[in-house]
Amino acid sequence: NAGVTQTPKFQVLKTGQSMTLQCAQDMNHEYMSWYRQDPGMGLRLIHYSVGAGITDQGEVPNGYNVSRSTTEDFPLRLLSAAPSQTSVYFCASSYLGGTPYNSPLHFGNGTRLTVT
Amino acid sequence: KNEVEQSPQNLTAQEGEFITINCSYSVGISALHWLQQHPGGGIVSLFMLSSGKKKHGRLIATINIQEKHSSPHITASHPRDSAVYICAVSLGGTYKYIFGTGTRLKVLA
Repeated sequence: NAGVTQTPKFQVLKTGQSMTLQCAQDMNHEYMSWYRQDPGMGLRLIHYSVGAGITDQGEVPNGYNVSRSTTEDFPLRLLSAAPSQTSVYFCASSYLGGTPYNSPLHFGNGTRLTVT
Repeated sequence: KNEVEQSPQNLTAQEGEFITINCSYSVGISALHWLQQHPGGGIVSLFMLSSGKKKHGRLIATINIQEKHSSPHITASHPRDSAVYICAVSLGGTYKYIFGTGTRLKVLA
C-alpha cells in the first residue's frame, strides 16, 4: 500500500502565482486534512474533510481552497501565493469508523513550499 | 497560552538513559495522540490514548484525564530514538486536532 501520497515534494512560487498541492490515499479513509508546519509552531489545521463532498475550515484557512470529489483525493489550492504561505505542508488521513476521532492519523511526506 | 504545551523543547540524552517528556492540554479532548517526526521530516503516529497506558516499543505513555497531562517515557534510550515527539489532541465533539510544538530528542551514542 502506498498510504498517503503528496506531490510535489518541493515547490517554489512567485508571489501571486497559484498552484495545487496534491494528496491521495489508498486506505479508503473518510477523514482527510491539510496542515502547515512553521518553525517554532505546532502543526496547524488548514482544512479538513469527512467524506466526498464535505469540507470544512480549520484554524488557518485563509488563502487556501479545498475540494473532495472522491474518497481518495483531497487537493489543496493556493489561490494567489504570498510569502506568508512559505511553509511545509502535510496531508493526513484517518478512518472514522468505530469510535469517532480516535483512529490514528496517517501522514504524507510533506511538501516544502517557498514563495518569493 | 497554547492549548497544548510540551516540555522540554529540546532534550539531549546519553544512550541507555531513561527519558521523560511531557504534554499538558487545556481543552476538552476525545483522545491524545503521540507522533514521531523523523529527521527527514516524515511524521508517524505512535499511538493514541483516551485512558490508561499504551506502549510502542520502549516508549510507554499514560494519560491523566483529570490533570490533562500525558508523560511518555523511553526506557533504555537509543540513538535511533532521536526524533521530534509531537503531542496532538483531538478536540472533543469536533474533527479538529491541535498540536504541540514538539520535543526534539537527541540520543548520543
